[in-house]
Amino acid sequence: GAGVSQTPSNKVTEKGKYVELRCDPISGHTALYWYRQSLGQGPEFLIYFQGTGAADDSGLPNDRFFAVRPEGSVSTLKIQRTERGDSAVYLCASTTLGGPKETQYFGPGTRLLVL
Amino acid sequence: AQSVTQPDIHITVSEGASLELRCNYSYGATPYLFWYVQSPGQGLQLLLKYFSGDTLVQGIKGFEAEFKRSQSSFNLRKPSVHWSDAAEYFCAVGGSNDYKLSFGAGTTVTVRA
Repeated sequence: GAGVSQTPSNKVTEKGKYVELRCDPISGHTALYWYRQSLGQGPEFLIYFQGTGAADDSGLPNDRFFAVRPEGSVSTLKIQRTERGDSAVYLCASTTLGGPKETQYFGPGTRLLVL
Repeated sequence: AQSVTQPDIHITVSEGASLELRCNYSYGATPYLFWYVQSPGQGLQLLLKYFSGDTLVQGIKGFEAEFKRSQSSFNLRKPSVHWSDAAEYFCAVGGSNDYKLSFGAGTTVTVRA
């Protein structure tokens, strides 16, 4: 079956611009996660959705970052006034229900480069 | 706060040789431990996971890992590596009340012929 998909695969933008990154989870998965992976590092948690609501957004670095999941499936990560330090690979994962024992299925990521 | 340390940034191993990747964790409660593999252009794929019980767990692609509570370790092993095992490997920790994962910085494995 189809896995987690993310678009675009690559995004180049200029400092100060606004970007949106999209995640399509596995069909039927109610839990969705966003992580950020900087060069040479492991993924770092950003936000977790259970259905349409953000159950935990404690990993968002500041108020320039925002994410939505209005219909409980597709999610969009939004970054305002991008900075060069936002350059990273943004990963999305989904699980069936969000339980801690469940396997998180990851998408291939969106590589964001802020010039 | 939980954390994961992968002491080896890069390991080179000959095809057919054994492989061991180290992982040490810090977690305030009973940890749930995971190993993921990331190949270029691919998403992270789960190799194996440990919650409780038998401390030696088997995973996909011939990998296994051993949980040692006294050493706060969860090392990954494979008896004989294949060229297709060249990738980056991440250890991660979660817990019963922790749906999010904390990842180590990863170990890159190079396989030479």
